[in-house]
Amino acid sequence: DAGVIQSPRHEVTEMGQEVTLRCKPISGHDYLFWYRQTMMRGLELLIYFNNNVPIDDSGMPEDRFSAKMPNASFSTLKIQPSEPRDSAVYFCASSLFVQNTEAFFGQGTRLTVV
Amino acid sequence: AQSVSQHNHHVILSEAASLELGCNYSYGGTVNLFWYVQYPGQHLQLLLKYFSGDPLVKGIKGFEAEFIKSKFSFNLRKPSVQWSDTAEYFCAVNVYTGRRALTFGSGTRLQVQP
Repeated sequence: DAGVIQSPRHEVTEMGQEVTLRCKPISGHDYLFWYRQTMMRGLELLIYFNNNVPIDDSGMPEDRFSAKMPNASFSTLKIQPSEPRDSAVYFCASSLFVQNTEAFFGQGTRLTVV
Repeated sequence: AQSVSQHNHHVILSEAASLELGCNYSYGGTVNLFWYVQYPGQHLQLLLKYFSGDPLVKGIKGFEAEFIKSKFSFNLRKPSVQWSDTAEYFCAVNVYTGRRALTFGSGTRLQVQP
């Protein structure tokens, strides 16, 4: 299995531009999570999905952030418009439905907003 | 809601020294516990996990952790660290029934000097 695949690995964009981050979870996994990692705040959960349905989006910082999961093999996290304070590493993770299992993380997308 | 505390933010050790990183969680119910490691510039990888049974769990690369329910603790240990253990270590918890997303501690940066 190729694991959780994220793209792009690095993104540099100008303030005000739209940014779309992509994630392909491990095949067969029921849960998909989006996390953000910064020096100041550590690892924060933004949103997670179960069977393509958003379960908890309370971590999404503002309306500028939106996430979708149109099918079991693809999810996007969009920031529109982007701001410099959105600069961070964004991780996607997936896991199975069963209780006793861990989450598997992708390589992350390092976003820099200038 | 559950929370995780990691009291050691930065630890510096010499090779062959013993390691113990503290992790405490707050939640009154049954939890699953994890330690993840993040090598410089890489994604999070699972070191070990505890779901039930023997409270002393062994993970990869010689790491182990002990779950002490009465202390709400899940400390990570390694008898002899190597330079290659230089990384950031995250303790995480999720609730056995309910919210599946992992809640992470703030992380401990371990620096092993040769």
